[in-house]
Amino acid sequence: KAGVTQTPRYLIKTRGQQVTLSCSPISGHRSVSWYQQTPGQGLQFLFEYFSETQRNKGNFPGRFSGRQFSNSRSEMNVSTLELGDSALYLCASSPGTMGEKLFFGSGTQLSVL
Amino acid sequence: AQTVTQSQPEMSVQEAETVTLSCTYDTSESNYYLFWYKQPPSRQMILVIRQEAYKQQNATENRFSVNFQKAAKSFSLKISDSQLGDTAMYFCAFKTGANNLFFGTGTRLTVIP
Repeated sequence: KAGVTQTPRYLIKTRGQQVTLSCSPISGHRSVSWYQQTPGQGLQFLFEYFSETQRNKGNFPGRFSGRQFSNSRSEMNVSTLELGDSALYLCASSPGTMGEKLFFGSGTQLSVL
Repeated sequence: AQTVTQSQPEMSVQEAETVTLSCTYDTSESNYYLFWYKQPPSRQMILVIRQEAYKQQNATENRFSVNFQKAAKSFSLKISDSQLGDTAMYFCAFKTGANNLFFGTGTRLTVIP
């Protein structure tokens, strides 16, 4: 099976712009979750989508949003970018039940100038 | 609050030697799962080992094993016969009822030839 695919790998944006990141999960996986990784805050959970519905949400402002399509692919959107949004954004997929392992993609490195 | 503490920011080990990475966590949940992930320079988060909290037996995956002490809320990772490819950041994580991971701050492990 193919792994979790995230596109693009790198992205450079300026303050105030918006950005959309994409994640294709492992075939058959219905859960997609998103994490932000920064040197200062470490790895933080953004949100999880399961069968096209947001199932869990972390403590991030409303500028961060996402969605999931019927084929389980997910997109994450950040509006009105701030310098502090510069981070590695990781996507993880799993079948969706509690004990299952999460499989991660290689991430999208976002730089906000 | 759910927290994970990794008290060793950096460690090093000679090739072929054994090293132990420490992790403690705090949760009021009785049912949860514990994980160790490694993140090499490629940035992809790779699952190393998983432990179900309701199992007393420590998980083992080839050269990787854990020492799970539930009462002490401790979950250390032992790497035997260290190899150069083990050089990476190692993150301890757990998840409870929701399908999202709480991560520690990581331990940077360097294997010295």
